[in-house]
Amino acid sequence: QIVLSQSPAILSASPGEKVTMTCRASSSVSYMHWYQQKPGSSPKPWIYATSNLASGVPARFSGSGSGTSYSLTISRVEAEDAATYYCQQWSSNPPTFGAGTKLELK
Amino acid sequence: QVQLQQSGAELVKPGASVKLSCKASGYTFTSYYMYWVKQRPGQGLEWIGEINPSNGGTNFNEKFKSKATLTVDKSSSTAYMQLSSLTSEDSAVYYCTRADGYYGYFDVWGAGTTVTVSS
Repeated sequence: QIVLSQSPAILSASPGEKVTMTCRASSSVSYMHWYQQKPGSSPKPWIYATSNLASGVPARFSGSGSGTSYSLTISRVEAEDAATYYCQQWSSNPPTFGAGTKLELK
Repeated sequence: QVQLQQSGAELVKPGASVKLSCKASGYTFTSYYMYWVKQRPGQGLEWIGEINPSNGGTNFNEKFKSKATLTVDKSSSTAYMQLSSLTSEDSAVYYCTRADGYYGYFDVWGAGTTVTVSS
């Protein structure tokens, strides 16, 4: 199965800062999807097919990448963005998730 | 609106089985596969398997083939997952989720059911 490695595991940022988190796949994938999860809640689709924002996601979020390397960027972090972000692929079975990047606000 | 309503938390003894439910609403139940995902406390997400509500066909992550059984009741638009021979490793939150039919991302999630295995 394709293994997804997310980095960093923990990302600490100040409000207004630009941040980027990455997801690397053990084999090339066609798309990468991202989810936001806050404690006690289910994951929410956040970015799908590499660069498409899910419904309701603020425009300060963006996604990019191809092949084995993908990233999620927040242009100006806000307090409400504190959460864990997971990447996910389904270019081959089984679908797999990364271990997550926890975004903490300073 | 599209919703997946999951059953309540379960406390079960080691070696027992448990059956979780996921009731779909707001869309045609038989038009989308249903998927199940496991999340252990403080851990990431694992795909357990899928069921085609139209014909009951299933497909599993190898890791869960002997652990999970997936079924559906089309009359009530409800999907079920039974977990057997429970151990502490099965203590987790279990989500049912639907995937979009084109890109392969999970676009709707249930709230999750917490299963605690303890004597």
